[in-house]
Amino acid sequence: DQQVKQNSPSLSVQEGRISILNCDYTNSMFDYFLWYKKYPAEGPTFLISISSIKDKNEDGRFTVFLNKSAKHLSLHIVPSQPGDSAVYFCAARLIGNEKLTFGTGTRLTIIP
Amino acid sequence: EPEVTQTPSHQVTQMGQEVILRCVPISNHLYFYWYRQILGQKVEFLVSFYNNEISEKSEIFDDQFSVERPDGSNFTLKIRSTKLEDSAMYFCASTPGTGERYGELFFGEGSRLTVL
Repeated sequence: DQQVKQNSPSLSVQEGRISILNCDYTNSMFDYFLWYKKYPAEGPTFLISISSIKDKNEDGRFTVFLNKSAKHLSLHIVPSQPGDSAVYFCAARLIGNEKLTFGTGTRLTIIP
Repeated sequence: EPEVTQTPSHQVTQMGQEVILRCVPISNHLYFYWYRQILGQKVEFLVSFYNNEISEKSEIFDDQFSVERPDGSNFTLKIRSTKLEDSAMYFCASTPGTGERYGELFFGEGSRLTVL
């Protein structure tokens, strides 16, 4: 079951630059998408979300873009900070359902 | 901010033993979940619970698993007869189900289960 895919297992970005994390999905019935951040030995922490009726949502340094026709979303972090180093999970929810389907995660490392 | 709490943080058990993982969801939340993450793999849905009953479960959640909300505050996951492949980090989560933060799951810090 690979309905949500994060094809880059890892990403390294210089501090101050933009980090772009990508996520693809296959199920057109997903209506809500979320990004979670996870530090080792901790639970995932909600970062930002977007409804399928929007194509962009911004919260401070974090922006999520949704391209429904391409079934693709991305998370932009700018400027990147050392504290952003973590594993980032993309997740999606089906219409009328509470369950989240997670991607495999991308480990982001911010280089000072 | 209110948080989901889980106990124990780490449990080591012998194969075939029963294990109970405990969670205290955020008090005004209505939907409760268990997810797990096997080392190096993605976070996987196990079960959702609403209105004192299971609302959905995955194929992983077979007869050896059960959930309970015994007293209105705790939410437990029981594994009746543990197998080696049950070794994972188990995350409890809850969500209000309505309002501004609808759809956002709040996760606990996880309970690491090691089956020997």
